[in-house]
Amino acid sequence: LAKTTQPISMDSYEGQEVNITCSHNNIATNDYITWYQQFPSQGPRFIIQGYKTKVTNEVASLFIPADRKSSTLSLPRVSLSDTAVYYCLVGLNTGFQKLVFGTGTRLLVSP
Amino acid sequence: EPEVTQTPSHQVTQMGQEVILRCVPISNHLYFYWYRQILGQKVEFLVSFYNNEISEKSEIFDDQFSVERPDGSNFTLKIRSTKLEDSAMYFCASSDHRQGPSGANVLTFGAGSRLTVL
Repeated sequence: LAKTTQPISMDSYEGQEVNITCSHNNIATNDYITWYQQFPSQGPRFIIQGYKTKVTNEVASLFIPADRKSSTLSLPRVSLSDTAVYYCLVGLNTGFQKLVFGTGTRLLVSP
Repeated sequence: EPEVTQTPSHQVTQMGQEVILRCVPISNHLYFYWYRQILGQKVEFLVSFYNNEISEKSEIFDDQFSVERPDGSNFTLKIRSTKLEDSAMYFCASSDHRQGPSGANVLTFGAGSRLTVL
């Protein structure tokens, strides 16, 4: 399983765009990149997933360069409720393959 | 939106006691998982379960742990003789292994069961 590296924490203000970058130098050809969000005392929640280029949904965008050795989660116009820990995970992610969580990035959004 | 339901939300037990944590996965899901998170630490994989047997387990999942799908809806984690270090939040998750928008499996997690061992 590819190891991921993320910043431990980030601070932002309401209304700003937040970009969280994850490094995964050893990503394999079949690996997908998935981001989860976790609020205190809650289970992780799926945000977005991608393989290459750019993916956008109603919550976030995911940018993946051509070499796929990193990815950037972009949260447009964050609010206080976006304060959470964000995890980047890499893997084929079949039902048989376990998800391995790293330490994640703790995002604090202030007024 | 379908959700994974876990009970109890919080359980306090004495060291050495048996504990059973219960989960109701999403109804059409086929893969089931248990993870745990010790306070302030990262989410750790315990076990995955498919077709009524364990698919993979971590080194944490020793002989004190067992999982079972006793009927068509519940998925349980049993800790036979709890230790102080078993105190953690335990998360159940499930997936249907259908590919997500980008082609890979997505897990849905429950809200967790907090276990406190005294």
